[in-house]
Amino acid sequence: GAVVSQHPSWVICKSGTSVKIECRSLDFQATTMFWYRQFPKQSLMLMATSNEGSKATYEQGVEKDKFLINHASLTLSTLTVTSAHPEDSSFYICSAGAGTGFSREQYFGPGTRLTVT
Amino acid sequence: GESVGLHLPTLSVQEGDNSIINCAYSNSASDYFIWYKQESGKGPQFIIDIRSNMDKRQGQRVTVLLNKTVKHLSLQIAATQPGDSAVYFCAEDKGANNLFFGTGTRLTVIP
Repeated sequence: GAVVSQHPSWVICKSGTSVKIECRSLDFQATTMFWYRQFPKQSLMLMATSNEGSKATYEQGVEKDKFLINHASLTLSTLTVTSAHPEDSSFYICSAGAGTGFSREQYFGPGTRLTVT
Repeated sequence: GESVGLHLPTLSVQEGDNSIINCAYSNSASDYFIWYKQESGKGPQFIIDIRSNMDKRQGQRVTVLLNKTVKHLSLQIAATQPGDSAVYFCAEDKGANNLFFGTGTRLTVIP
C-alpha cells in the first residue's frame, strides 16, 4: 500500500516550453502533497506544499508563477514548469503523507528527471 | 537557524560489517525524524522513524538512535549488504509534514 506514482519518469524539452508533471497517490487519498527538487549529488529541497482544493504554499525563493501547482483531487497533484530554461533541469520528486498514529511518514514518488535543452 | 546536516558525506564498509550513519540537527523543538534511503535515479524510500520522546527504535536490521542532549541522530545498519549501497538522508519534520532533508551520506558496501 501507500504507493505514489509520477508521470513522466523523464522528459526532455526545449527552452521556453512548458512541462507538466503528474503525481498520483494510487491507493490512498492525500489532502496534502509535496513537491521537491533535487540537483545532482545534492539533497532534496522542498519547493511547495500542494493542498487539495486550495492554493499551494511555496517555499521562499520558489517562483509561484513559474512552478504552477494544481491539486485537483485527493489523488492527483500536478506541477507545471512554465517557460522552462536549462537551469530548471533537475530531478523533481513528489510525496504524500499517509501515516497514521505513530508515523507521520511521507511516501515518495519515483521522481521525474527534467532536461531542458 | 534550522539545519539538519550529516557529519560524513561518504562511508565505505565491508559486506557483513555494521554501518553507522550520523546526522546532526539544530532545532531542539523538532519532535519527529525519519531516515530515508535513495538509490540512484529513484525517489527516497522510508527506512525508519522516531519521535522525540524515544531514544531508540529498531526495525529489521536497522536501528535509529536519538540523542536530544546533543541533537544527534544515527542510523545503524547491521550486517550491511551490497543492496544497502545508496545515499541515506535524515529528515526533520518541521511540522505539518514539512520535511527538511539533510545533506546525505553515500554508503558504499565493499563485497
